[in-house]
Amino acid sequence: GAVVSQHPSRVICKSGTSVKIECRSLDFQATTMFWYRQFPKQSLMLMATSNEGSKATYEQGVEKDKFLINHASLTLSTLTVTSAHPEDSSFYICSAPQLAGVLNTDTQYFGPGTRLTVL
Amino acid sequence: AQKVTQAQTEISVVEKEDVTLDCVYETRDTTYYLFWYKQPPSGELVFLIRRNSFDEQNEISGRYSWNFQKSTSSFNFTITASQVVDSAVYFCALSSAGSARQLTFGSGTQLTVLP
Repeated sequence: GAVVSQHPSRVICKSGTSVKIECRSLDFQATTMFWYRQFPKQSLMLMATSNEGSKATYEQGVEKDKFLINHASLTLSTLTVTSAHPEDSSFYICSAPQLAGVLNTDTQYFGPGTRLTVL
Repeated sequence: AQKVTQAQTEISVVEKEDVTLDCVYETRDTTYYLFWYKQPPSGELVFLIRRNSFDEQNEISGRYSWNFQKSTSSFNFTITASQVVDSAVYFCALSSAGSARQLTFGSGTQLTVLP
């Protein structure tokens, strides 16, 4: 199946620093990617939709100036957590849909996730 | 608005028992897709199945089977002869028709299979 990678898998940073997380679709192109956030023992919550060549679409309540998203190419989206604080500590997961045929029965493939800890 | 409900927060079974994970969804779309994902302790989401709303045929894959009942808006997942390696959080998810749609996830069910 399709593969989506994320880097880094784990990051620990000091409060006030910025952290960049990369999401790559390894064997297919994705004009759209999604960024989710997951708190411990909770479900995945969509943060934003990353669009190649245009601005990201943020979900209600997600600060776009804090969570910067750049979809630089058809295989790469980056999420930058700016001026990170302890409350930003979470598990961040990206996904990319792989289209399948004329029925657009795409399937979302998820990256392995990035565990961010802000001290 | 779309909604996915997984009423079972945690389930524990003994190895070799069968277990069914429930999923009920709400959507106004006439065409939509349903998914099940497995999330082991490592955190990575593993895709299990995608079901289109216009295909109500149930599916079996090895020890896994899925029962899609459009009349009751349910998409239940059964593991037969459970194994310890099945222990994980299982998420049911829903997306609208069309390409590149984001998923709406249920709250997940923590399955623990005891040896």
